Amino acid sequence: NAGVTQTPKFRILKIGQSMTLQCAQDMNHNYMYWYRQDPGMGLKLIYYSVGAGITDKGEVPNGYNVSRSTTEDFPLRLELAAPSQTSVYFCASKGPSYNEQFFGPGTRLTVL
Amino acid sequence: DQQVKQNSPSLSVQEGRISILNCDYTNSMFDYFLWYKKYPAEGPTFLISISSIKDKNEDGRFTVFLNKSAKHLSLHIVPSQPGDSAVYFCAASAYSGAGSYQLTFGKGTKLSVIP
Repeated sequence: NAGVTQTPKFRILKIGQSMTLQCAQDMNHNYMYWYRQDPGMGLKLIYYSVGAGITDKGEVPNGYNVSRSTTEDFPLRLELAAPSQTSVYFCASKGPSYNEQFFGPGTRLTVL
Repeated sequence: DQQVKQNSPSLSVQEGRISILNCDYTNSMFDYFLWYKKYPAEGPTFLISISSIKDKNEDGRFTVFLNKSAKHLSLHIVPSQPGDSAVYFCAASAYSGAGSYQLTFGKGTKLSVIP
């Protein structure tokens, strides 16, 4: 199993550009999450999904959108990139019978 | 308002000695607590967890203690090894409706184990 995979690993955007961060998991997990981590801070929840077709906002959703058309994939969309969105983004997934979330390797995004 | 607090940004310990990482929380609805380990340029990896109905959980060199009355938990690593050098995040879980369990993370403690 590859676990949770994320692409790209790094990206530099100009202000106002848009992009999609990809996340996929092969563990058949229903729960998926997007976090951002700013320097010296903990992870903050952006959006989450409890299953295909169901998504909801987390603590810091402004400026982002998500979709969940399949169990495996949970892309995160930035429509109008701003410098405040410079961060490291982590995707995670969780199975039904335990509380541990499994994380991907992260995407480092810089908005200039 | 931080619901999960790790008040020590960093900790240095000699190899072979005990490392103790601390975490405090404020939300009484948290019912499960987890520790994650993170190396640079990698995602967090799950280390150990504890349910709110227990006060101790042990896994090899790692032990987590929970004091519910004090809303405090700690991670003990004995003996500490250089490979344990990483950032450790404390996280707490609470049911948040619609079948969802969300994690709230502390800011992390950077552990350095000196050979």
